[in-house]
Amino acid sequence: AQSVTQLDSHVSVSEGTPVLLRCNYSSSYSPSLFWYVQHPNKGLQLLLKYTSAATLVKGINGFEAEFKKSETSFHLTKPSAHMSDAAEYFCVAVPGYSSGSARQLTFGSGTQLTVLP
Amino acid sequence: DTEVTQTPKHLVMGMTNKKSLKCEQHMGHRAMYWYKQKAKKPPELMFVYSYEKLSINESVPSRFSPECPNSSLLNLHLHALQPEDSALYLCASSRQGMVKEQYFGPGTRLTVT
Repeated sequence: AQSVTQLDSHVSVSEGTPVLLRCNYSSSYSPSLFWYVQHPNKGLQLLLKYTSAATLVKGINGFEAEFKKSETSFHLTKPSAHMSDAAEYFCVAVPGYSSGSARQLTFGSGTQLTVLP
Repeated sequence: DTEVTQTPKHLVMGMTNKKSLKCEQHMGHRAMYWYKQKAKKPPELMFVYSYEKLSINESVPSRFSPECPNSSLLNLHLHALQPEDSALYLCASSRQGMVKEQYFGPGTRLTVT
């Protein structure tokens, strides 16, 4: 069985300071991993994805994440927070075994990021 | 174009009403999904369509009835809903085959009175 753990339900940072949102996964197979962002009353937007290529993945809006197999982690970072980054962030995993069928996502519980002026 | 559209944006319905939610994508994706999302929670998968056929039904009550008329459209028919069904309903689509990311629509905010 696959699970995704987001270690912080809330993170608060000041504008211009670094952001770190933590995610750990467990899976019997090497998963594909994603970070999605959801602004209030909006759908989910894909920030970045890891699919067994480079372990450091760059995404949109200055975000990046590093896949560390030894730590089963996929933490999301950004060097300098902007007010518009305030949102809910979901870490998501999909099992890595090959199949022709559509694949289900396993969501973490989410991290609410607050950016203080 | 990586857009998934959903209509309506908001829907208020009584428990005896029948309504439908609509989702559309023109990315050529052959997998489409319905999710239900309650406040402060991650989305919960309801249904998966693969090549226009229902492939996964996550034990969803029969008052929710999905339909996939063609490869671009996905509907969710609602009948005799309960107040606890009030939520944000999200549609998503993805390519088939190897693991591909899902693209989400903006959602329909449903309130059952």
